[in-house]
Amino acid sequence: DTGVSQDPRHKITKRGQNVTFRCDPISEHNRLYWYRQTLGQGPEFLTYFQNEAQLEKSRLLSDRFSAERPKGSFSTLEIQRTEQGDSAMYLCASSLRGDTSYEQYFGPGTRLTVT
Amino acid sequence: RKEVEQDPGPFNVPEGATVAFNCTYSNSASQSFFWYRQDCRKEPKLLMSVYSSGNEDGRFTAQLNRASQYISLLIRDSKLSDSATYLCAVKDSNYQLIWGAGTKLIIKP
Repeated sequence: DTGVSQDPRHKITKRGQNVTFRCDPISEHNRLYWYRQTLGQGPEFLTYFQNEAQLEKSRLLSDRFSAERPKGSFSTLEIQRTEQGDSAMYLCASSLRGDTSYEQYFGPGTRLTVT
Repeated sequence: RKEVEQDPGPFNVPEGATVAFNCTYSNSASQSFFWYRQDCRKEPKLLMSVYSSGNEDGRFTAQLNRASQYISLLIRDSKLSDSATYLCAVKDSNYQLIWGAGTKLIIKP
């Protein structure tokens, strides 16, 4: 499968614990995006990378969240000191480029439940 | 006002019927437009990009109305498998996707 992959698919953690998610984009795509989606809502932008450079972060991304893409390939999203409000689906997407017509393709998501 | 708005539905439609829904956007500088389909507890999957001249892919037709700032999706001869949530996404001048909350479609036999 040459699509976007994410790991793990599901994560249950206790409040206060740290969690890390991984995303592997489509290999030739240089843009990688992280979104969060809660029930009944569309995806909310969190951050994106152009190669290894993190170019934008949403105000939704508190200082408990950090993302990296060290070699411009896979990316990790870490949430420290998780809160119940962090429970959501975390989606990763990639695109060939960022300009007008290039579509984003999504991975299957990581569903986080904070108890 | 939200940047991208959709009627949440649900639209309950008999199999074989035609259904259409719209998505309005507030930023007139928006660059490009997309329809995604999302099944329950799955990721969004690209259905089609929306071009200025409109485009058609089989039973699906997408239109853009820049003057009134909305895009539309028309599904003809609807199938049971078309039941899903349809999300519109609008790419702004910073090339970021802004999403609607989705329209839920239920096709009934």
